[in-house]
Amino acid sequence: GQQVMQIPQYQHVQEGEDFTTYCNSSTTLSNIQWYKQRPGGHPVFLIQLVKSGEVKKQKRLTFQFGEAKKNSSLHITATQTTDVGTYFCAGNSGGSNYKLTFGKGTLLTVNP
Amino acid sequence: DGGITQSPKYLFRKEGQNVTLSCEQNLNHDAMYWYRQDPGQGLRLIYYSQIVNDFQKGDIAEGYSVSREKKESFPLTVTSAQKNPTAFYLCASSISVLNTEAFFGQGTRLTVV
Repeated sequence: GQQVMQIPQYQHVQEGEDFTTYCNSSTTLSNIQWYKQRPGGHPVFLIQLVKSGEVKKQKRLTFQFGEAKKNSSLHITATQTTDVGTYFCAGNSGGSNYKLTFGKGTLLTVNP
Repeated sequence: DGGITQSPKYLFRKEGQNVTLSCEQNLNHDAMYWYRQDPGQGLRLIYYSQIVNDFQKGDIAEGYSVSREKKESFPLTVTSAQKNPTAFYLCASSISVLNTEAFFGQGTRLTVV
């Protein structure tokens, strides 16, 4: 079945440093989504990427979808303490059946 | 306010007892989902429902059961057959299974002793 691998599992940075998490799927994806889960909270939808090679930005966050639609990345520029949390990618293989598969997430901690 | 509500937030049960977790949404979404989250494991799909009176097994359905008698409600029962029931359970909904931007509830942390 479809597998979505996410690395790294943990990342600790100093405030102001950049951060990147990577997501790789074993199959070609219809689209990919990114979620953020604050400690003790629930996942919150950030963005969806659909097109091959797509790049989207949300303030300090940059999301990319690979040309082959099998990988994606989330980059945060100049991290802040408010960025702390676990970032999940979720790959959708499309079709009429639900096949959204979550990666295991990257836990980001930021030292002020 | 529109949203998805899970109750209770914390739940304790004795081993061998069935327990039902509530999930209600007023977003008028067709699709609803149950995930289980364990430390370091990400989110694993238990069951999902595309429409009322329909539901499908996810990747880890054994020991769980669901019903979808109303569009707004998708309760999950953790049965005594589930070997490791202690976990954080998340309910989510989306417009449909084709539009999978998911809205999550606050979660229920189940502890079985």
